[in-house]
Amino acid sequence: GENVEQHPSTLSVQEGDSAVIKCTYSDSASNYFPWYKQELGKGPQLIIDIRSNVGEKKDQRIAVTLNKTAKHFSLHITETQPEDSAVYFCAASPNTGNQFYFGTGTSLTVIP
Amino acid sequence: NAGVTQTPKFQVLKTGQSMTLQCAQDMNHNSMYWYRQDPGMGLRLIYYSASEGTTDKGEVPNGYNVSRLNKREFSLRLESAAPSQTSVYFCASTRDRDRSYEQYFGPGTRLTVT
Repeated sequence: GENVEQHPSTLSVQEGDSAVIKCTYSDSASNYFPWYKQELGKGPQLIIDIRSNVGEKKDQRIAVTLNKTAKHFSLHITETQPEDSAVYFCAASPNTGNQFYFGTGTSLTVIP
Repeated sequence: NAGVTQTPKFQVLKTGQSMTLQCAQDMNHNSMYWYRQDPGMGLRLIYYSASEGTTDKGEVPNGYNVSRLNKREFSLRLESAAPSQTSVYFCASTRDRDRSYEQYFGPGTRLTVT
């Protein structure tokens, strides 16, 4: 089955700096790659996603890039704010919506 | 719109006891999922249901059973709880499968098995 690896496991940045989280996947059949933000005591919430036919997608301060050849995708958060502090998960789906395989999470801390 | 709701929020079981975790969504979604979240391991899929009346195993189905009672409800049953099943359990549902795969998660059930 699919194997998703996520790095780093923890990340601290100064407010206003950028944060980058990277994921790799193993199954070339994966074609949907969502990113989730999980705040303490809550369920994950989708923040951005990308499909395999697109190389980059941006939504305000958040962007995701996908390199299908290298089988990796990254989350970029610019101008970080304290409220961006949370755990972020990447995921990959080989059959668009039936099964999702998650990375192990990155705990992001934005220092004011 | 309540989204995805889960009951209970917390539960403590003794080894060997059984219980059912309830999940309901009011978004008319076709697909529903059960995950467990353990420290350092992300979320792992236990079972999913692509539509009412169908269920399929995920990565870690052993020790669990599910029922897709109707389009709204998807329950997870532990027949004989074990300490290894101590975890946080999340239910999720997916918007229209043909157009979007955005998953909506419930608030979770924190289960401790002693």
